[in-house]
Amino acid sequence: TQLLEQSPQFLSIQEGENLTVYCNSSSVFSSLQWYRQEPGEGPVLLVTVVTGGEVKKLKRLTFQFGDARKDSSLHITAAQPGDTGLYLCAGANSGGSNYKLTFGKGTLLTVNP
Amino acid sequence: NAGVTQTPKFQVLKTGQSMTLQCAQDMNHEYMSWYRQDPGMGLRLIHYSVGAGITDQGEVPNGYNVSRSTTEDFPLRLLSAAPSQTSVYFCASSKSQGWQPQHFGDGTRLSIL
Repeated sequence: TQLLEQSPQFLSIQEGENLTVYCNSSSVFSSLQWYRQEPGEGPVLLVTVVTGGEVKKLKRLTFQFGDARKDSSLHITAAQPGDTGLYLCAGANSGGSNYKLTFGKGTLLTVNP
Repeated sequence: NAGVTQTPKFQVLKTGQSMTLQCAQDMNHEYMSWYRQDPGMGLRLIHYSVGAGITDQGEVPNGYNVSRSTTEDFPLRLLSAAPSQTSVYFCASSKSQGWQPQHFGDGTRLSIL
């Protein structure tokens, strides 16, 4: 069973601060997805990273896939209250009969005004 | 654009009752799946389907049945509800493979008394 460990589990910061959320595994994934989930809603895809060492930016969010494709990080610059939510990483393996994503347990981020 | 539609949004059942959670998508996606989300446990895969007429078990399938008679619909049936099935249930779909980005519904919040 492939596991994804996310840290920290909870994070409460003030508006304007920077933060990094981590997603780690002992398994190799062919790609890794990051989702954000707001209360009362389903997760929404933020980004997919595919290549080891890849860096993707989405406005103030920077996503990085580890060189060995076992870990990933999400860095938020100058956090805003609108960034509040549950951040989930999900690892994927392509090919064969494995059609499943493995989700981490999430990081619950609260950005206080 | 409806995307993935789940009904009902909320439901309270008594132990031993049965019910069906409905899920429909209008994106012509081949792959559909059901997850449950519990505090501290992340998203866990219950059942999934790679196309009409094909279903398979995920990580936590016991107590649940699914069928996929059409591409659009993927209902989840609770055979005899138990308090341990109290959870938030999410249906998701993706274009062709389970490792591709998932489009989630807004969830069904289910309480078993």
